[in-house]
Amino acid sequence: IAGITQAPTSQILAAGRRMTLRCTQDMRHNAMYWYRQDLGLGLRLIHYSNTAGTTGKGEVPDGYSVSRANTDDFPLTLASAVPSQTSVYFCASSIAGGSYNEQFFGPGTRLTVL
Amino acid sequence: GQNIDQPTEMTATEGAIVQINCTYQTSGFNGLFWYQQHAGEAPTFLSYNVLDGLEEKGRFSSFLSRSKGYSYLLLKELQMKDSASYLCAVRDGDYKLSFGAGTTVTVRA
Repeated sequence: IAGITQAPTSQILAAGRRMTLRCTQDMRHNAMYWYRQDLGLGLRLIHYSNTAGTTGKGEVPDGYSVSRANTDDFPLTLASAVPSQTSVYFCASSIAGGSYNEQFFGPGTRLTVL
Repeated sequence: GQNIDQPTEMTATEGAIVQINCTYQTSGFNGLFWYQQHAGEAPTFLSYNVLDGLEEKGRFSSFLSRSKGYSYLLLKELQMKDSASYLCAVRDGDYKLSFGAGTTVTVRA
């Protein structure tokens, strides 16, 4: 693989169910991010990780959790999904620090919670 | 926190020039990015400004004024494939990005 992959591509989920969105990158980037994108609101940061073993909360963290056991993987878990979590979820990665470090985005996961 | 404003929609004719403005009010500033996002796809990087002035990259240019909290993305010689959303994003001191809601540009023949 090259870049960032996300799985699944799309999912329909019943409210109350647990769901993990997967994200894997092979660029050896130390920083990774999870965003949700909703119409009219743009991309909003859910959680981030500047290096393996550390995570931080973004703008909209409630109802979501993340882990960063290694450099490549950054899964996002919805413990008990609610309809307001219906969105398109993007994972991104970058080199942390420095002055010019663009974020690279995965293809996204379209999640519908009914 | 960050407050980033950009127009919702713009329409232009093939071959023309379009300027997308972005204003921001931030608690910290460590660079401004522009991303392009085609419908149903992931955002892709277009440009980066951290110092005042104009950065030119082919048909796309981006300008920054830190004192005014203002940036613009200039798209020249518009092509149909330029129809997309353009996202303005400000990076804070912790290297996290805050995005505007995006500007949808429609290019007409």
